[in-house]
Order: sequence, then structure tokens, then C-alpha cells
Amino acid sequence: GQNIDQPTEMTATEGAIVQINCTYQTSGFNGLFWYQQHAGEAPTFLSYNVLDGLEEKGRFSSFLSRSKGYSYLLLKELQMKDSASYLCAVTDSNYQLIWGAGTKLIIKP
Amino acid sequence: ETGVTQTPRHLVMGMTNKKSLKCEQHLGHNAMYWYKQSAKKPLELMFVYSLEERVENNSVPSRFSPECPNSSHLFLHLHTLQPEDSALYLCASSQVGEGASGANVLTFGAGSRLTVL
Repeated sequence: GQNIDQPTEMTATEGAIVQINCTYQTSGFNGLFWYQQHAGEAPTFLSYNVLDGLEEKGRFSSFLSRSKGYSYLLLKELQMKDSASYLCAVTDSNYQLIWGAGTKLIIKP
Repeated sequence: ETGVTQTPRHLVMGMTNKKSLKCEQHLGHNAMYWYKQSAKKPLELMFVYSLEERVENNSVPSRFSPECPNSSHLFLHLHTLQPEDSALYLCASSQVGEGASGANVLTFGAGSRLTVL
């Protein structure tokens, strides 16, 4: 079966750095997405990786290793507003999106 | 209005009621989706309308019925629901090409929180 694994919950301190991991087992691979979802709000697109390596976008970076079936989202200089759930999703060989259950990130002062 | 708007934001209904969820996208996208989001579970794709063609997930119970009258509007008609159907129902839209390629980035609405008593 197809599966996306990510930690259920993480806690970090304001101003620090946190890495949220995502591992996947899918039938084929056509790209990996990260979305952010604040409580009671819509998920919003953060990043897309289709080739190996690091994509940097301001305080957020996303890394992909296709050979390892692994990605991470790196958040730097954490702010209280970064408290949210972070959803990892992979597009399989049929271009279907397979979703992880999300990681709830709690930022403490 | 911008983006994807969903109404109502909250809905409480009995198991014998009939209600509908509405979604409208103002982005000119050609595909629209219904997802079910339950606590601590992955998003479950329910229905897709893409390039005016309905793609249905066969595991969705018939008490959920989608309707897409045009490329900007999507409805989810609800009938004789069960308590386990209580969840957040998310609508999304995207722009898909004629061939499957590239990043299909979804724009989501804020969801309709459904409680079935």
C-alpha cells in the first residue's frame, strides 16, 4: 500500500530551528508538497520538490531525497505564528495525491 | 471575494436531514475537489471534477452526492448521514493541464465543519 509518515506533534521554541520529517512509500513519484494549516483555516501551499536537493524560500526550506523516500521541512527563526499543522503529500505515478496525517507544531515563547 | 469560499462554515444536522455544502472558486481554475479531514488522519479525497469530467472515488458512500454546475461552483449534497461522517469538509481547486505533468498546486477553502447527531 501507499503510505506517508510524519510525526504527529512537535514542540519548539520561538527563535529556534525545527525540522519536520516526512518519509513515503508510494507507487511511483511525481513530486512532493508541503502545506501549512492553521487551526480552523484552509491548508496553504508552502513548497514543491520534484528533484533531489534543497529548495529555500525565506525562513522555510524543503529537502528531498528520492532514493531514500525522504523529505524534510526546515523552519528557521521560529515565530509564534508558525504554530500550525504541516501536511506532507506525494504525487504518485498516476498523479494522485497521497497525504500524510500532518504534524502539529507547537511554538513556545 | 477571492480564492475559494465555502459555506456554511459550521453545520449541525440530524441523521435524517438533507443539507448541502457549497464551494465557489474565484481563481479561474478548471478542477475542483472535495476532501474529508478527520482528526489525526490523512486528507481523504472524495470527489474530483477535472476538465468538466467527474472522477469519483468508489469508496464514498452514496449518502454523499456531488454536483458541479459549472467550473466555479461545487456542491456536496448530504442525505441520511451517520455520526462517523462528522468531520471538516474541504473544497479545493487547481489548474490542470491537458497532460499530467508538473505541480498541481491546490488552493483550499477554509472548510465546512459538519457535526452529525
